[in-house]
Amino acid sequence: SYVLTQAPSVSAAPGQTARITCGGNNIGSMNVHWYQQRPGQAPVLVVYDTIDRPSGIPERFSGSKSGNTATLTISRVEAGDEADYYCQVWDSNTDLVVFGGGTNLTVL
Amino acid sequence: QVQLVESGGGLVNPGGSLRLSCAASGFTFTDYYMNWIRQAPGKGLEWLSYISPSTTYTNFADSVKGRFTISRDNAKNSLYLQMNSLRAEDTAVYYCARDYRGDHLFDYWGQGILVTVSS
Repeated sequence: SYVLTQAPSVSAAPGQTARITCGGNNIGSMNVHWYQQRPGQAPVLVVYDTIDRPSGIPERFSGSKSGNTATLTISRVEAGDEADYYCQVWDSNTDLVVFGGGTNLTVL
Repeated sequence: QVQLVESGGGLVNPGGSLRLSCAASGFTFTDYYMNWIRQAPGKGLEWLSYISPSTTYTNFADSVKGRFTISRDNAKNSLYLQMNSLRAEDTAVYYCARDYRGDHLFDYWGQGILVTVSS
């Protein structure tokens, strides 16, 4: 089955840039979506189709992809960005949805 | 505004059954695929199942295939998850989520409902 690999944790100081990666075989041919989940809350979509932002999501959140890795970049990190972040794709070969294991962002 | 509200969770014995419901409002329910996604305590997100607007198409994660069924009542704007042969590892918060455009992009989520499988 398809696997998305995320580092368990990332940290950044306020005002710095946090980069959260998501690795997967042939991910370059897939639409990658990113969700933010604050403690005790439901996930929220922050980036879709690798690079697009839903309305209401700050421009500080951006996505990119290179090779077998997708990246969520959070610029000018704020305390409120502290959360778990999950990448997600749809594997068209199996018609199954796959989430990465999640990355916990700590704001120092 | 879009609202998804899950109900029906609780404590159930191993081997037991439970039916979750998700009440949808604020959008045209019949236009959207709907999904169930869960999160075990302290763990990540796990997609479980989807259902198409007309109920023609469904699919399930291997972990629940054959034990869980998904259904919807478009007249009641409601989504359901029937869970049978429950195991301890099914203990999780269960979320219903709207699929934005039918290709598994989840733009709205419910608040989640806890299911605990334990004797």
